[in-house]
Amino acid sequence: SQTIHQWPATLVQPVGSPLSLECTVEGTSNPNLYWYRQAAGRGLQLLFYSVGIGQISSEVPQNLSASRPQDRQFILSSKKLLLSDSGFYLCAWTGGAPFSGANVLTFGAGSRLTVL
Amino acid sequence: DAKTTQPPSMDCAEGRAANLPCNHSTISGNEYVYWYRQIHSQGPQYIIHGLKNNETNEMASLIITEDRKSSTLILPHATLRDTAVYYCIDGGDTNAGKSTFGDGTTLTVKP
Repeated sequence: SQTIHQWPATLVQPVGSPLSLECTVEGTSNPNLYWYRQAAGRGLQLLFYSVGIGQISSEVPQNLSASRPQDRQFILSSKKLLLSDSGFYLCAWTGGAPFSGANVLTFGAGSRLTVL
Repeated sequence: DAKTTQPPSMDCAEGRAANLPCNHSTISGNEYVYWYRQIHSQGPQYIIHGLKNNETNEMASLIITEDRKSSTLILPHATLRDTAVYYCIDGGDTNAGKSTFGDGTTLTVKP
């Protein structure tokens, strides 16, 4: 069965410090991978998605970057965190190409980032 | 901006059916309707999806109108554990993950 792991679950970082959140998927190959951010009490904002190794698309300009060094690994990074980067970060995957029909998102448990 | 619109909140009595509406004003012919829910501080969980026909699974039922511009998620016998934020989105087979999640409907099941 497919599983998705995301870590760390919680972190508190000072402004200006670097960030690395990691996400891995097991039990599938060539998944589409996604990073979302959720502000308190709000919906999910898509930050990045990837359809393959080294292929990253950014949905919104920001202080963050994403990388996909391996097929089932997706990393969210920042060189210098801002206060506005605080939030709940979610990794998710869907089936990759070739694909037909419905494509259900499976989410990780999330990483809660507080920037002080 | 989200493609779908939902009421911000709803209450439901425990044991009664919860009917959560969603408007899909811009849905296209090959896009599916998906419903997810998010319990506080957890990742969203998939509930059900459909294209044209009504669907039922062990969690819920999904009613899609003939013009596909609206859908209703039905939890037939709501329990306290169904208290959560419910999101509806629509998307095609290749772009479902890029669908925009609005603020959803906060369902509160009351004893």
